[in-house]
Amino acid sequence: GNSVTQMEGPVTLSEEAFLTINCTYTATGYPSLFWYVQYPGEGLQLLLKATKADDKGSNKGFEATYRKETTSFHLEKGSVQVSDSAVYFCALSDGSSNTGKLIFGQGTTLQVKP
Amino acid sequence: GAVVSQHPSRVICKSGTSVKIECRSLDFQATTMFWYRQFPKQSLMLMATSNEGSKATYEQGVEKDKFLINHASLTLSTLTVTSAHPEDSSFYICSASGQATTYEQYFGPGTRLTVT
Repeated sequence: GNSVTQMEGPVTLSEEAFLTINCTYTATGYPSLFWYVQYPGEGLQLLLKATKADDKGSNKGFEATYRKETTSFHLEKGSVQVSDSAVYFCALSDGSSNTGKLIFGQGTTLQVKP
Repeated sequence: GAVVSQHPSRVICKSGTSVKIECRSLDFQATTMFWYRQFPKQSLMLMATSNEGSKATYEQGVEKDKFLINHASLTLSTLTVTSAHPEDSSFYICSASGQATTYEQYFGPGTRLTVT
């Protein structure tokens, strides 16, 4: 069945460091891919998404490219801030891009130190 | 816009009792609501999908008689954990989607359930 695998955390970085959180997936068909972020004490928020191969999603300085050949959707940011500290979830939709069920990775905790 | 609330945020109940968790879409009509369960340091596991006015569709392995889901209106879904046991202790998260959100899921803040 469909699944998502994320790198284990926590990831601890200094402010202004480069961030990569790896995400790979297994899916039949052509899923849409998402990154969600969960700040402490809050619900999940959609960070970015990509609906087809080679699409690049971007938001708030974060970006991820849908790589079908490597079945990956790695999250990157060039310069992290303390305010980026949160848990990041990679997910795929195995139905239509918006109404289908979401399958989540296990989440990666990012800690950014000043 | 697209705010989803959950109530309560935390609840402690005794074994054998039932507890109800509410999920509300505050500023849009949610034709579909999803209920997830999250174990510590683990992923969100989809429990069920509910469409307004219809019976919920449960994922494999989720007991529908234990986790009762009602989606009686376009802004409210409830999850009732019946005859709770300590192993039901978990973090329960709902999400909601509808035409106003272009069917993107918006998530509630979650409810921490502890069964003693």
